[in-house]
Amino acid sequence: AQRVTQPEKLLSVFKGAPVELKCNYSYSGSPELFWYVQYSRQRLQLLLRHISRESIKGFTADLNKGETSFHLKKPFAQEEDSAMYYCALKDTDKLIFGTGTRLQVFP
Amino acid sequence: EAQVTQNPRYLITVTGKKLTVTCSQNMNHEYMSWYRQDPGLGLRQIYYSMNVEVTDKGDVPEGYKVSRKEKRNFPLILESPSPNQTSLYFCASSPISNLYEQYFGPGTRLTVT
Repeated sequence: AQRVTQPEKLLSVFKGAPVELKCNYSYSGSPELFWYVQYSRQRLQLLLRHISRESIKGFTADLNKGETSFHLKKPFAQEEDSAMYYCALKDTDKLIFGTGTRLQVFP
Repeated sequence: EAQVTQNPRYLITVTGKKLTVTCSQNMNHEYMSWYRQDPGLGLRQIYYSMNVEVTDKGDVPEGYKVSRKEKRNFPLILESPSPNQTSLYFCASSPISNLYEQYFGPGTRLTVT
């Protein structure tokens, strides 16, 4: 079955520390993966997609097909990165979301 | 301004009293979807629509209905709400060519007592 797993409900770090939000997937085919972010009092929005290999707000994510992972990384966390992060997998005509990880960045 | 709107934003109701949550988008998107967000369960899709008069069940459709009579609107109907439908509901839309880039509404917090 197609599935997205985010093992951490909460990740707390101090400002300036590296961050890695874990995402693993299960998919029979060539996966398309994305990260969405929801800042406090804001709407859920697309952060980045694996196919573009872009860096957004200092975040990157590499698709590792061998490990079936798509972890979100940032070398130096900022307080404004505090938010809820969802990993998502495109499955034909819908997105399958993980359970989300709340990132807290302390000053 | 391109946006997805939902109404109402907050609703407290009683078991069995039919309700409708409206969703409207002004971006001429073909694809629209409803999700519910619950602690520890993340976002789960309720129903989606690929275009006018085309709707399909998502992962948790039980207890919900939808309709897509116009491209811009995609209301969510709870015919007989129950307490287990207390949740935060999100509507989203996207162009059919960029299904992954979904634009989300602000959310509707529903409490069923």
